[in-house]
Amino acid sequence: SQTIHQWPATLVQPVGSPLSLECTVEGTSNPNLYWYRQAAGRGLQLLFYSVGIGQISSEVPQNLSASRPQDRQFILSSKKLLLSDSGFYLCAWSVGISGNTIYFGEGSWLTVV
Amino acid sequence: SQQGEEDPQALSIQEGENATMNCSYKTSINNLQWYRQNSGRGLVHLILIRSNEREKHSGRLRVTLDTSKKSSSLLITASRAADTASYFCATDSNQFYFGTGTSLTVIP
Repeated sequence: SQTIHQWPATLVQPVGSPLSLECTVEGTSNPNLYWYRQAAGRGLQLLFYSVGIGQISSEVPQNLSASRPQDRQFILSSKKLLLSDSGFYLCAWSVGISGNTIYFGEGSWLTVV
Repeated sequence: SQQGEEDPQALSIQEGENATMNCSYKTSINNLQWYRQNSGRGLVHLILIRSNEREKHSGRLRVTLDTSKKSSSLLITASRAADTASYFCATDSNQFYFGTGTSLTVIP
């Protein structure tokens, strides 16, 4: 069966520090991978998606970047965090898009102080 | 933004009552899905309805879709305290876009 792992689960980082959130998927090949952000009490904002190794699409301009160094690994990074980067970050995967389900990791709580 | 919107933003009902949540979206879709999120957790898929379907059932869940109005509704019948969660609709036109969510509280 397929599983998705996301870590760390929580972190508190000072403004200006770097960020690295990692996500891996097991049990499937060539998945579509996604990073979403959810502000407190709000909906999900699609940040990045990837349809293959090295292929990253950004939905919104921001202080973050994403990379996909391996087929089932997706990394969310920042060189210098801003206060506004605080939120709940969710990694997800799917097999294609239309008619398919998207599966989420358990999320990472980021607090920038 | 292609993000949809759920209505109401928050809903509080007594156990045993029915809960209805609505979703409106902006673009044409292939399918619409509903997801559930327990507080501080990832989202879990509930049900998918295709653009050529008008109604779908799964257990205590009933979903309707009106593509002419670009809207969908999720009905949870005979609610339970364990149904307390946030519920999101998602469209999959070219990506998965989620609505703003309805926070449902079921009071025992």
